[in-house]
Amino acid sequence: GNSVTQMEGPVTLSEEAFLTINCTYTATGYPSLFWYVQYPGEGLQLLLKATKADDKGSNKGFEATYRKETTSFHLEKGSVQVSDSAVYFCALSSGSNYKLTFGKGTLLTVNP
Amino acid sequence: NAGVTQTPKFQVLKTGQSMTLQCAQDMNHEYMSWYRQDPGMGLRLIHYSVGAGITDQGEVPNGYNVSRSTTEDFPLRLLSAAPSQTSVYFCASSLRSGRWESSYEQYFGPGTRLTVT
Repeated sequence: GNSVTQMEGPVTLSEEAFLTINCTYTATGYPSLFWYVQYPGEGLQLLLKATKADDKGSNKGFEATYRKETTSFHLEKGSVQVSDSAVYFCALSSGSNYKLTFGKGTLLTVNP
Repeated sequence: NAGVTQTPKFQVLKTGQSMTLQCAQDMNHEYMSWYRQDPGMGLRLIHYSVGAGITDQGEVPNGYNVSRSTTEDFPLRLLSAAPSQTSVYFCASSLRSGRWESSYEQYFGPGTRLTVT
């Protein structure tokens, strides 16, 4: 079956630091890969996605590249802000999109 | 568009009580689903629907019922609440069309925080 493993948190950084959150996956077929973000007290919202190998998703300064050879989709940002403090979820879907498989989430706290 | 709405935002139940969590979307999405979020567990799929009149079980369906009589609404029923059902519940919806179905974004509601005592 499908599974997603992401770096356990919490992660605490200072403002303007470089961020990497690792994500690896196991899936049948050719999955689409997603990063969702959950700000405190809110639902999840899509941050970025990639649908095929070597695609790079990007949004709000965040990037992730779909690496089929290493089954990875690591999230990066060059300079984090306090407003980036949130929980980040790596997820995949394969075949029918209603079956999203999520990682356990990584709590990021950015201090001024 | 209001997007995906959920009511109530908070609920406290006693063990054995029943209740319905409401979910509605105004985007004419065919797919709708319910997840529960527990600390250290990520989100787990409870039930989903690919269209009106069609529902199926997800990863953790026991203790929950769903129905989909309209495209817009997808209520989740707790038949006899148990403390193990204390969680945050999210409803989500997405499009269903096109070749790359798995690439479509899911839109999430704000969640219902349920406590069962």
